[in-house]
Amino acid sequence: SQTIHQWPATLVQPVGSPLSLECTVEGTSNPNLYWYRQAAGRGLQLLFYSVGIGQISSEVPQNLSASRPQDRQFILSSKKLLLSDSGFYLCAWSAQEGGQPQHFGDGTRLSIL
Amino acid sequence: AQKITQTQPGMFVQEKEAVTLDCTYDTSDQSYGLFWYKQPSSGEMIFLIYQGSYDEQNATEGRYSLNFQKARKSANLVISASQLGDSAMYFCAMREGLGAGGSYIPTFGRGTSLIVHP
Repeated sequence: SQTIHQWPATLVQPVGSPLSLECTVEGTSNPNLYWYRQAAGRGLQLLFYSVGIGQISSEVPQNLSASRPQDRQFILSSKKLLLSDSGFYLCAWSAQEGGQPQHFGDGTRLSIL
Repeated sequence: AQKITQTQPGMFVQEKEAVTLDCTYDTSDQSYGLFWYKQPSSGEMIFLIYQGSYDEQNATEGRYSLNFQKARKSANLVISASQLGDSAMYFCAMREGLGAGGSYIPTFGRGTSLIVHP
């Protein structure tokens, strides 16, 4: 069966520090991968998605970046965090075929001080 | 215009009763998929149920069923026999174009908060 791992679960970082959140998927190949951010009590904001290794599409201009160095690995990064980067970050995967749901990781709660 | 509309920011239901969470969608595609997800207070997003635009029967998964009315472009989630553990945020989502070349990006609604009272 397929599983998705996302870490860390919580993170407290000072303003201006770098960020690296990692997400890996097991049990499937060539998945679509996604990074979302969710503000408290709000809906999901799509940040990045990837349909293959090295293929990254950005939905929202920001100081975050994403990379997909391996088929089932998706990394969210920042060189310098802003206060506005606080939030709940969710990684997700879906099969390439249409009609397939997204499956989400447990999320990372990021607090910027 | 929003592609997914969830008009109920909050809903309350008595334990063991049924509840309907509304979702309307907007698309010009003939081929699309509709999804419902549950997000408990712990944060994880849990896939509940799927309905394809060409499916003639309403989807069901245990206590969850999807009331799909294509002409009205609605895909309401019905939870039967509510349990305390059903208290959560519920999100409706749509993915347009189910064949090759379809959209990789689902559109999510803003969610409905469901509270189940004992």
